[in-house]
Amino acid sequence: DTAVSQTPKYLVTQMGNDKSIKCEQNLGHDTMYWYKQDSKKFLKIMFSYNNKELIINETVPNRFSPKSPDKAHLNLHINSLELGDSAVYFCASSPQGASNEKLFFGSGTQLSVL
Amino acid sequence: GENVEQHPSTLSVQEGDSAVIKCTYSDSASNYFPWYKQELGKGPQLIIDIRSNVGEKKDQRIAVTLNKTAKHFSLHITETQPEDSAVYFCAATSGGGADGLTFGKGTHLIIQP
Repeated sequence: DTAVSQTPKYLVTQMGNDKSIKCEQNLGHDTMYWYKQDSKKFLKIMFSYNNKELIINETVPNRFSPKSPDKAHLNLHINSLELGDSAVYFCASSPQGASNEKLFFGSGTQLSVL
Repeated sequence: GENVEQHPSTLSVQEGDSAVIKCTYSDSASNYFPWYKQELGKGPQLIIDIRSNVGEKKDQRIAVTLNKTAKHFSLHITETQPEDSAVYFCAATSGGGADGLTFGKGTHLIIQP
């Protein structure tokens, strides 16, 4: 029944490693997103993606890349992890015609880089 | 780009009292203003939203007001209950684009029994 599900919930890894976070939504939404929440709880968009275009926030390092195998999935790949990447990453989706509106968020992946 | 300021950062109220959280935004092109509630260990959940062509919207115990001229919007929660304890975020956007939803820094609402 989970609308937006992401795995894993916790991810602990060493600096320099490459990791992925998976996201799936069963709401039939057209647009999916990745947001980053830092240690002060500040939420900031990283990517938005629908079947037509990928929009990347200019502040996101190119070590981060989203991959969408189909409309219901948007995975996040991170190369060469750095200490500053430690944060909670949220996947979200929104209905057709509601870009950046009425977002449904997943429960988050807490990434700790050691 | 858009900048959203949110106050207060922490708000403690007695159960049954009202709580008000205020936000200001900078971009006059913003036209959609949602409020999200985030409980510990969970993702943000949309609780109410308002568009720029509306001044007020109410849903049971929660209401949002918008003053476009002053670029202010506020969340009002009446008859607060323990389950209202959470972090609340306001946000603003002008629609699609790389800036997405611009969030405020959050208000930790504590309901005292």
